[in-house]
Amino acid sequence: QQQVKQSPQSLIVQKGGISIINCAYENTAFDYFPWYQQFPGKGPALLIAIRPDVSEKKEGRFTISFNKSAKQFSLHIMDSQPGDSATYFCAASAIQGAQKLVFGQGTRLTINP
Amino acid sequence: DSGVTQTPKHLITATGQRVTLRCSPRSGDLSVYWYQQSLDQGLQFLIQYYNGEERAKGNILERFSAQQFPDLHSELNLSSLELGDSALYFCASSLGPPSIQYFGAGTRLSVL
Repeated sequence: QQQVKQSPQSLIVQKGGISIINCAYENTAFDYFPWYQQFPGKGPALLIAIRPDVSEKKEGRFTISFNKSAKQFSLHIMDSQPGDSATYFCAASAIQGAQKLVFGQGTRLTINP
Repeated sequence: DSGVTQTPKHLITATGQRVTLRCSPRSGDLSVYWYQQSLDQGLQFLIQYYNGEERAKGNILERFSAQQFPDLHSELNLSSLELGDSALYFCASSLGPPSIQYFGAGTRLSVL
């Protein structure tokens, strides 16, 4: 019940295209869903996050879509750029308690120029 | 730069040895989290401290222990090391739940 499942494992998108990464969770106690971006040799960095009281959140070219009934959420990267090439992790946590993050397995995104 | 400092960046050691990983949280952050990142297990939560006290435990082995000191820096101690302990170990800090976790650059541990 603690798992967060992420797909695809790897994704190749042309420059200017839309990158879409999907995640699903089971634990209904989760109420905070961040996405982290990780470049080689660096730690994960928060990209964007959403709480289940909204269905969508947009920050620049990055959008999270959230479907509470399906227990799914996704990251859309519009107008993908080569600089977006990185590994993306979805995560989930429960505000109550320690707020430990449960991460998906990660998606390696490559944007071809 | 996240403001979270981890040392050392790389650590190479032998099986059976003991190592200490250090984390200095962002200024003002009271909470420290430790995560392990390996190819087969992904990013896994190990343990969390809040203002010097253990707050939550994840899949942390009994051979591993951690503490948070009065100046809020934290150390993760790994003992009786095995080949399978080779991984990236990340520290994250936050003001305190619920708030954003900021990650350090990690310590890469290689057990030979």
